[in-house]
Amino acid sequence: DVKVTQSSRYLVKRTGEKVFLECVQDMDHENMFWYRQDPGLGLRLIYFSYDVKMKEKGDIPEGYSVSREKKERFSLILESASTNQTSMYLCATKSHLNGYTFGSGTRLTVV
Amino acid sequence: AQSVTQPDIHITVSEGASLELRCNYSYGATPYLFWYVQSPGQGLQLLLKYFSGDTLVQGIKGFEAEFKRSQSSFNLRKPSVHWSDAAEYFCAVGSYSGGGADGLTFGKGTHLIIQP
Repeated sequence: DVKVTQSSRYLVKRTGEKVFLECVQDMDHENMFWYRQDPGLGLRLIYFSYDVKMKEKGDIPEGYSVSREKKERFSLILESASTNQTSMYLCATKSHLNGYTFGSGTRLTVV
Repeated sequence: AQSVTQPDIHITVSEGASLELRCNYSYGATPYLFWYVQSPGQGLQLLLKYFSGDTLVQGIKGFEAEFKRSQSSFNLRKPSVHWSDAAEYFCAVGSYSGGGADGLTFGKGTHLIIQP
């Protein structure tokens, strides 16, 4: 089975901090995604990547950036965390055979 | 632009009763449709998906969904719910083609409550 691992389940950061959320997959998939999930809003796509060093903006990229230096790792970066970025963040991969696979999520609280 | 509507924010069903969760979509091309379930504190688990072929799709945990192109719907059903089915359910539409990297578009979710 494809495994998508998000390094932290819970994070608490201060306003203004630079925050890194890490996602690692073990199946050599080209396509990786970052979503945020908020009550009543469902999941919204922040950024995605279709190859190493390649990235595309999703629906809500403002305040975020991403990094993909290696195929298996896709990092979401909050350059200067704000309280409105308190949310659940979900990473996913996609392959033609397996479809989409999600990680367990990182619940980020910005205080 | 693609979109997904789940008209019911909350649904309460008695244990053992039947269930139907509604999903309507808007998508420019041939839609690829998914239902996911999320238990509290957990990630998303795929229940079932539709790409083509038979419009009635069987999934895990006894769920099924029917694709109706004329109604732009992909409703999820289960004949008899169990208390463990209490969770958040998400419908999603997107591209499944191998060359496409576009992400899924999700509905806002339906929260399922099971009454004893």
